[in-house]
Amino acid sequence: EIALTQSPATLSLSPGERATLSCRASQSVRSYVAWYQQKRGQAPRLLIYDASNRAPGIPARFSGSGSGTDFTLTINSLEPEDLAVYYCQHRNGYRRTFGPGTKVDIK
Amino acid sequence: EVQLVESGGGLVQPGGSLRLSCAASGFTFSNYEMNWVRQAPGKGLEWVSYISGSGSSIYYADSVEGRFTIARDNARNSLYLQMNSLRAEDTAVYYCARRDLAWELNWGQGTLVTVSS
Repeated sequence: EIALTQSPATLSLSPGERATLSCRASQSVRSYVAWYQQKRGQAPRLLIYDASNRAPGIPARFSGSGSGTDFTLTINSLEPEDLAVYYCQHRNGYRRTFGPGTKVDIK
Repeated sequence: EVQLVESGGGLVQPGGSLRLSCAASGFTFSNYEMNWVRQAPGKGLEWVSYISGSGSSIYYADSVEGRFTIARDNARNSLYLQMNSLRAEDTAVYYCARRDLAWELNWGQGTLVTVSS
């Protein structure tokens, strides 16, 4: 079974800065990775799918890259509303695996 | 607008059963695959189960295989999760999610299941 790790566990940045979140798979997952944002007390929201495609309605400051085993979610020009936990997810056929998450704190 | 509304959560004793429901609206329910995803208090997300649009294909996470049953009623635009032999580690918020673009695009607000004596 493929495992996902995320780093760092917590990221503390100021508004306007760039956030770079990493997701690593234990073996190649091609481009089958998505990113979700979960704000406190809310359901997750799909941000990026197939490694680099923005989901409908997602602001352009969110971008994804990577393939194989290493993936990155970049948030350009952080806004206070970006305070959340970000999860990467892998799809293997009908099954799904989530990473442990990265918490983004806004200073 | 896509809406997913879960219900049926609550407090149940270990070994007990509970049935969750998810009412869908704003889209043609039978055309979409659906999932249950859960989140233990203060923890990350865990995929639980999948069902195809027709209901003919079903998959479960190893952690719930043999204890949970996913089902859908396309005439009622509803998704269900029958949970039996519940354990303390099943305590979580349970979300239903619509699969679109091959990913979990739309989510409900979740329903809390607490397994405790």
